[in-house]
Amino acid sequence: GAGVSQTPSNKVTEKGKYVELRCDPISGHTALYWYRQSLGQGPEFLIYFQGTGAADDSGLPNDRFFAVRPEGSVSTLKIQRTERGDSAVYLCASSPTAGGGDTQYFGPGTRLTVL
Amino acid sequence: AQKITQTQPGMFVQEKEAVTLDCTYDTSDPSYGLFWYKQPSSGEMIFLIYQGSYDQQNATEGRYSLNFQKARKSANLVISASQLGDSAMYFCAMREGLQGYQKVTFGTGTKLQVIP
Repeated sequence: GAGVSQTPSNKVTEKGKYVELRCDPISGHTALYWYRQSLGQGPEFLIYFQGTGAADDSGLPNDRFFAVRPEGSVSTLKIQRTERGDSAVYLCASSPTAGGGDTQYFGPGTRLTVL
Repeated sequence: AQKITQTQPGMFVQEKEAVTLDCTYDTSDPSYGLFWYKQPSSGEMIFLIYQGSYDQQNATEGRYSLNFQKARKSANLVISASQLGDSAMYFCAMREGLQGYQKVTFGTGTKLQVIP
């Protein structure tokens, strides 16, 4: 079956612009996660959705970052007024539920470069 | 304090030999899960193996095994019979709590290079 997909794979933008990153989880997975991975680091949690609602957004660095999942499937991470420090790989993951033993399956990521 | 510590930034191993990647963790929760992921240069995080804190036996998945030493709070990944395709970054991760949602925390990773 299809895995987690993310588009675009690469995004180059200018400082101050708005960007949207899309994640299409594995069909039937109710839990969806966004992570940010900076060079040489492990993934850093941003936000978790259970169904349509953001159940934990404690990892969002500031109010320039926002994410939605309106129909409980596809999610969009939105970044306003991008800064050079936002440059990173943004990873999306999904799991069947959010249960303790549930494995998160990751997409290939979107590499965001802010010039 | 770091929840997940991977002390080996880089490792080399000869093809066909075994290699151990270290991971120690810090938690006061008796219920937790430990994960290992592989990240090749393509960027995708690939799930390898999972160990729950109450699991009696060490987890194994093909050539991967997890050397779980609860008292020492270590969860080292052992890869047997290394292959060239094993060259990648490897991340250890932990979820505290086994019921419902809990955040997963990742270590900084170990870069493994398999030498022909």
